[in-house]
Amino acid sequence: DIQMTQSPSSLSASVGDRVTITCRASQGIRNDLGWYQQKPGKAPKRLIYAASSLQSGVPSRFSGSGSGTEFTLTISSLQPEDFATYYCLQHKSYPFTFGQGTKLEIK
Amino acid sequence: QVQLVESGGGVVQPGRSLRLSCAASGFTFSSYAMHWVRQAPGKGLEWVAVISHDGRNKYYADSVRGRFTVSRDNSENTLYLQMNSLRAEDTAVFYCARGYGSGNSPLDYWGQGTLVTVSS
Repeated sequence: DIQMTQSPSSLSASVGDRVTITCRASQGIRNDLGWYQQKPGKAPKRLIYAASSLQSGVPSRFSGSGSGTEFTLTISSLQPEDFATYYCLQHKSYPFTFGQGTKLEIK
Repeated sequence: QVQLVESGGGVVQPGRSLRLSCAASGFTFSSYAMHWVRQAPGKGLEWVAVISHDGRNKYYADSVRGRFTVSRDNSENTLYLQMNSLRAEDTAVFYCARGYGSGNSPLDYWGQGTLVTVSS
């Protein structure tokens, strides 16, 4: 199974900050990776697919990069609505696996 | 618009069974694989199972293999998850999500989830 190691597990930041979240795959997954945002009591919402493609309707302050084993999600200027938990997902092979999550909190 | 609506959750005793449903609309259901993902209270997301568009191929997480069965009825645009021999650690919100289909990347759309609580 492919393991996804996500860091940090939590992050405290202020509105307007630039933040980066990282996922590392235990083996190469090409660009078969997505990033999701989840708010309390809600279903996950996909932000990025194919590692770097912005999902339709998602603000351009979100961006993704990487290929192979190292991936990053960057939020260029945090907005109040961005405080949530973020997950990466590899879908190169079954079982699909998620990162452990990053809880982004207001400083 | 794509819509996925789960149902069938509830409180069940350990060792008993429960069947979840996911009603799909807004896309050609029979052309897409479908997934189940769960989230235990206060925990992260765990992929559970997938079924191919035609129902022929299925894959399961090790944690549920042999106890859970995924199926679908393309004539009714509905996905199912039959859960047997339930354990306390199966307590979670269960989501259905759309998989590969017409050139999309999987798990693009999700339902709102249904809560399963396994407790005596």
